[in-house]
Order: sequence, then structure tokens, then C-alpha cells
Amino acid sequence: QVQLVQSGSELKKPGASVKVSCKASGYTFTSYPINWVRQAPGQRLEWMGWINSNTGNPTYAQDFTGRCLFSLDASVSTAYLEINSLKADDTAVYYCATKMVRGPYPVDVWGQGTTITVSS
Amino acid sequence: DIQMTQSPSTLSASVGDRVTITCRASQSITNLLAWYQQKPGKAPNLLIYGASNLKSGVPSRFSGSGSGTEFTLTISNLQPDDLAWYYCQQYKSYPWTFGHGTKVEIK
Repeated sequence: QVQLVQSGSELKKPGASVKVSCKASGYTFTSYPINWVRQAPGQRLEWMGWINSNTGNPTYAQDFTGRCLFSLDASVSTAYLEINSLKADDTAVYYCATKMVRGPYPVDVWGQGTTITVSS
Repeated sequence: DIQMTQSPSTLSASVGDRVTITCRASQSITNLLAWYQQKPGKAPNLLIYGASNLKSGVPSRFSGSGSGTEFTLTISNLQPDDLAWYYCQQYKSYPWTFGHGTKVEIK
């Protein structure tokens, strides 16, 4: 079945970097985009942006431009989220998500989430 | 950015009740609105897309309505399994934005 499996939780110090992976299975990876969504403790879901799984072209939400980097390796059907210069405010659960429908449609397949904790 | 405002923040109801959650968009999003259910420690699960279309496999006690700027999610015959947070989300334009969420509690 269609599935996104993310890498495990990470504990990082302020100023460090982290790279989260999101491995897709059950569908043709290059056919559908990967979105990234953040959920800080007790906060609403925030859409970070998306990456075109065919071209590798990323689109970032304004709040996530600069320190966040989306990338992918189509040969292993995996997308990546890298966050640099981590701050305590980056502590959150990060989700990758995709949609199995072309055109205007919300994401309907989610990874299990990766918890990133930033603490000294 | 399109702002999404949900109400109430929390609601408490009894099993069998009918509950309604409201979501307002700061500008028209036509019908490009989704509703998600999120249980503790889990990823969101899509319930409704296109404001009123039930995703396959979602129980029929969930329904959505609205267009433009005003939307509602209704749960008829509330069940214990419906204990969760519910979020609306617009996908009319980037950046996609979510409501603050509504916590549904069972009395």
C-alpha cells in the first residue's frame, strides 16, 4: 500500500543541523509531490512547502525560507528535509505528506512524523 | 496569506450527540477546503476534501458543507473513537494554511 516512512527522532543542540528522511513506497515516487508540515508543541499545523518529485524543484513557505532545504533521491524514492542553524523554536514534529490525486487536492498520505528536539 | 479561523477551540459532547465545528477563511477559497482528524501522537488523517466530499473509508457520520469563506464539519452520532483534534485547511493558494484546531472531548 502507499506509505511514507520517516526517520527517527533526533535531539540536537542549538546551532546544529538535522536531516529528516521520508521514504515512499507503493507508488511511483516521481509522480506526486512531497509536502512538509511542521507541528510545534501545542500549536497548529504549519505547511512548510513542497518539492516536485519529478524535477526536484522546491517551493518554500515564507517562514521556512533560508534555513530549510528540501531535496530528494529518486533512485531510493526518498525525500529529505534539512534544517540548519537549529533554534529551540524548531522543536516540533515534522511530517512529510503527499497526495495521490493530480490537481487541486489536499495531502492524503502522511508519514508517521519525526520529532526534532532542540535543546542545550 | 489566507487566515483560517476555527471555532470552538474545544467542545465537549456526549456519545450520540451531533456536533458542529466552524471554519472561516479570510478570503474566498471557493470549495478548496479540507478537514483532518488528528489523534494523540498520530499524523493527521484526511476526512473531507472539496469542502463536502467524504474521503473513501471515512464513516458517513462525518459531513462537510460550505463554500467561499464559511465552512462546517458535522459529526452526527458522536462516537468514543471521535475523540481527537480536528483541523481545517485551505488549499486554494500557497502557502496552504490550517485552522488552530478544535479539540473534541467526550463527556
